[in-house]
This record gives sequence, structure tokens and C-alpha cells, in this order.
Amino acid sequence: DSGVTQTPKHLITATGQRVTLRCSPRSGDLSVYWYQQSLDQGLQFLIQYYNGEERAKGNILERFSAQQFPDLHSELNLSSLELGDSALYFCASSIQQSGNTIYFGEGSWLTVV
Amino acid sequence: GQQVMQIPQYQHVQEGEDFTTYCNSSTTLSNIQWYKQRPGGHPVFLIQLVKSGEVKKQKRLTFQFGEAKKNSSLHITATQTTDVGTYFCAAHTGTASKLTFGTGTRLQVTL
Repeated sequence: DSGVTQTPKHLITATGQRVTLRCSPRSGDLSVYWYQQSLDQGLQFLIQYYNGEERAKGNILERFSAQQFPDLHSELNLSSLELGDSALYFCASSIQQSGNTIYFGEGSWLTVV
Repeated sequence: GQQVMQIPQYQHVQEGEDFTTYCNSSTTLSNIQWYKQRPGGHPVFLIQLVKSGEVKKQKRLTFQFGEAKKNSSLHITATQTTDVGTYFCAAHTGTASKLTFGTGTRLQVTL
């Protein structure tokens, strides 16, 4: 158990819909990362927050947005969903902004039908 | 943008054989990390290398960071079925915060 909690674990939704994925970082961690992993694909960096502020952005689609709240939990919002958005979405956390180990949650499986 | 490439993409070995995966970057890296993802699981941190030419060992796993800090390798001696999974290298690229993962090497071990 990494200490990073993600909900929901599984989600099935229709094209065009909007979903929110939630992440609670490890206790004491200030930084939260979001990654997307499609079937047999690598880990694509989406976005990172540190203590409530956006710190780094990857190839995140405009239909996707995220935020980190004062209690440090984070949400990833995916809208106007397409079939290709079906993937495993990982949240990870770390103590510092960069340069150290990140700890992954178990992921949220999103299936768009 | 910055990419971290890994080879091979996939390797199938028999139990007891050795395995090596290589990670390459076009730019100098400040450090490199290695993660393992078991089938159906999430990536788990294995190790971080910081110094040029650094070599670290964890039981049957040997990690190396190149002298130019542009490449790294993970070598597993005498693989076991418990080594099955995908091995990723990861490096901070672009902004210091962005941790970019390599393309991964999927290892399959059979008896």
C-alpha cells in the first residue's frame, strides 16, 4: 500500500460525458502528479501540482483539467469523453516539488463506451 | 519534447537467464529513477541514481548510470518468475518538476 488513494477504481461512461477522478496523496506529501496509461502503452505525464499550484504540464488535452485543493487532495476532470480516453489514470505523490521518489496510487480504470 | 527511450520494448526469457533493459536520453539528466510495474499493478519505485558512472545493486538487480548521464541500464541476474513486469526508467525533463517515464520494457519469464 503506497498510501496514495484513488477513487473510483473503475468507471464506465458514455462518449460525450464528463467524469471526475479523485486522488488523496500520502500523508505529508505536497506534490501530486497525474499520469495516463493506455493499454500496452507507457505512462504519459499529464500534470503536476505542488501545494495547490500547477507546477508542470504535459500533453494534457484541453478537455481535461485538474486542481489541487487546500487539503492537498486533487481531482482530474475529463470532459466530452471520447473512446480514445479509455485508459488507466494514475495519481502519484511526493514530498517535494521535484527530484525525489514519487508514489503511485492503484489507478482509476476509465472505460468510455 | 524531451523523450526517454527504452530498449527492448519486450523481452521473453527462461527462468535463470539474465535480462537487461537500457534507457537513453538525448540530453544530460540530473538523475534517473527506475520503477517496476507488475501486471495489473501500479509502478513501484526501485532506485534512484544521481552520480555519473554510479552503480547500485539490489540483490539480483544492478543499476548503472552512464558516465555522460545520458543513459542507464538495469540488469537482472538469473531471472525468476517474480521478476515479470514492466520496467520503466524515469527522469526529470524540461521543467524540474516534470518526471518523464521511458517507454518501458516488458519482461516475461517462463519456466
